[in-house]
Amino acid sequence: DSGVTQTPKHLITATGQRVTLRCSPRSGDLSVYWYQQSLDQGLQFLIQYYNGEERAKGNILERFSAQQFPDLHSELNLSSLELGDSALYFCASSGSGTENSPLHFGNGTRLTVT
Amino acid sequence: GQSLEQPSEVTAVEGAIVQINCTYQTSGFYGLSWYQQHDGGAPTFLSYNALDGLEETGRFSSFLSRSDSYGYLLLQELQMKDSASYFCAVLDSNYQLIWGAGTKLIIKP
Repeated sequence: DSGVTQTPKHLITATGQRVTLRCSPRSGDLSVYWYQQSLDQGLQFLIQYYNGEERAKGNILERFSAQQFPDLHSELNLSSLELGDSALYFCASSGSGTENSPLHFGNGTRLTVT
Repeated sequence: GQSLEQPSEVTAVEGAIVQINCTYQTSGFYGLSWYQQHDGGAPTFLSYNALDGLEETGRFSSFLSRSDSYGYLLLQELQMKDSASYFCAVLDSNYQLIWGAGTKLIIKP
């Protein structure tokens, strides 16, 4: 158990809809990362937050947004969903967000857009 | 641009040794990490190399040569449970992790 909690585990929704994915980082970790992984693909970095502030942005679509709250949990909002958004969405946390802090991944949210 | 190259798939026999290579081209370099991911599961951290040389952790070892922009993950005494995808990732000068596309390791009995 990595200590990172993601909810929900599975989400099935229709095109055009909006969903929110939630992540609670490991206790004490300040950094939260969001990744998208399509079937049999690699990990696509979306966005990173550190102690409530956005630190880095990857290939995140404008339809997607995220935030990290004062209690350090994070939410990823996906709107105007398209079939191609179907993927596993992982949240990861680390202690400092810099140097060699390993990332601890949650079990992911599997999003299916129909 | 920044890129990491690793083989898409490697096949080995149970009990054998396998090496998964990773070459990188990034803006700056702080270290090379390896992660393991079983099908449908979460990636888990295996190792981190910041300096040249070999780091050993049980059956797994990781090597780095900064002058060659190259590293590898060595898995010994392969077990069926080692069947997974293995990702290399470089920490660049902005302290961002740049990920390889992953290597699927298939182990045959």
